[in-house]
Amino acid sequence: GAVVSQHPSRVICKSGTSVKIECRSLDFQATTMFWYRQFPKQSLMLMATSNEGSKATYEQGVEKDKFLINHASLTLSTLTVTSAHPEDSSFYICSASGTSGGASTDTQYFGPGTRLTVL
Amino acid sequence: DAKTTQPPSMDCAEGRAANLPCNHSTISGNEYVYWYRQIHSQGPQYIIHGLKNNETNEMASLIITEDRKSSTLILPHATLRDTAVYYCIVRVDGTYKYIFGTGTRLKVLA
Repeated sequence: GAVVSQHPSRVICKSGTSVKIECRSLDFQATTMFWYRQFPKQSLMLMATSNEGSKATYEQGVEKDKFLINHASLTLSTLTVTSAHPEDSSFYICSASGTSGGASTDTQYFGPGTRLTVL
Repeated sequence: DAKTTQPPSMDCAEGRAANLPCNHSTISGNEYVYWYRQIHSQGPQYIIHGLKNNETNEMASLIITEDRKSSTLILPHATLRDTAVYYCIVRVDGTYKYIFGTGTRLKVLA
């Protein structure tokens, strides 16, 4: 139980375009979802926290107008990287916590990640 | 800043126990310790968590010192598939947020 999926797993886009990444909880209701980014050989950095039906809370230094987060339902959150540039190339990982399906509100369950390459 | 410190790397022989230490000297009374691992280019995988008592599940054991300032994750019989970066995390008090530290890169040797 407590499975999280991400789509796409890999995306390549041109500079200036926008990219949307989906994060889904497959067998539980995700009351809270988190978005992280990870650069090569570095640890995960928390970008934002979102609760279903509420605006996301962004970490210091993360541009909310550049990284748009929507958590419209208890199973889906999306991250849109707007006007992407090469420096946005990274590994983006979501996680979710919640209830039902073996999940716990205290524990985060991570998706497999999305590798974004901006040319 | 992360509330945990871990050695950057460790080696372990296949079939032997892997003992991964973590210091969290500023942990407060109601903060849990979580352990995850990340295999290359994948999302972190939950291993175990605990508050005060030692915990064991099918993957590992977690030993927390009495003063709660440090803990050890034990993989009882390491296999090559256990090669990964292991993260010890203290959840931010009053929130559900994790702040990841640099982790320990465990290499299991044949």
